Amino acid sequence: GQNIDQPTEMTATEGAIVQINCTYQTSGFNGLFWYQQHAGEAPTFLSYNVLDGLEEKGRFSSFLSRSKGYSYLLLKELQMKDSASYLCASRDSNYQLIWGAGTKLIIKP
Amino acid sequence: DAMVIQNPRYQVTQFGKPVTLSCSQTLNHNVMYWYQQKSSQAPKLLFHYYDKDFNNEADTPDNFQSRRPNTSFCFLDIRSPGLGDAAMYLCATSSGNSGANVLTFGAGSRLTVL
Repeated sequence: GQNIDQPTEMTATEGAIVQINCTYQTSGFNGLFWYQQHAGEAPTFLSYNVLDGLEEKGRFSSFLSRSKGYSYLLLKELQMKDSASYLCASRDSNYQLIWGAGTKLIIKP
Repeated sequence: DAMVIQNPRYQVTQFGKPVTLSCSQTLNHNVMYWYQQKSSQAPKLLFHYYDKDFNNEADTPDNFQSRRPNTSFCFLDIRSPGLGDAAMYLCATSSGNSGANVLTFGAGSRLTVL
């Protein structure tokens, strides 16, 4: 079956760095997405990886290793507004998005 | 300006009373999706349209129906809501379903069933 695994919840301190991991098992692979979702709101796009390596976009970076079925989202200089759920999603060979349940990130002052 | 608009944002209905949720987009995207999301769970795809081509997920209950009368609008009909249908319903669009095509979501419609 197809599966996305990511931690349920993480806690970090304002100003620090946090890494949210995601492992995926999908039928084929056509890209890995990260979305941010604040409580009660819709997901918003953060990053897309299709080749191995690190993609940096401001305070957020995303890494992909296709051979390991692994990705992480790295958030630097954490701000209180970064408190949200972070959803990992893999696009399979049929171009369907397989979603994880999200990692709830709690930022403490 | 919002590009994917969902109405209503909050809907309260009684058990068994039909509900229609609407979604409109100004992006002229080919693909429109309806997702169901329950608290702390992954979004679950109910249907998607590629232009007028309708795709129903195998495990979407018959209680859920959808219509896309034109490129801009899409509707989700829940014919007889049960308590288990209480959830956030998310509409999303994309310009295609391959490669780096990103989903743009609406703000969601939160359904409460009494």
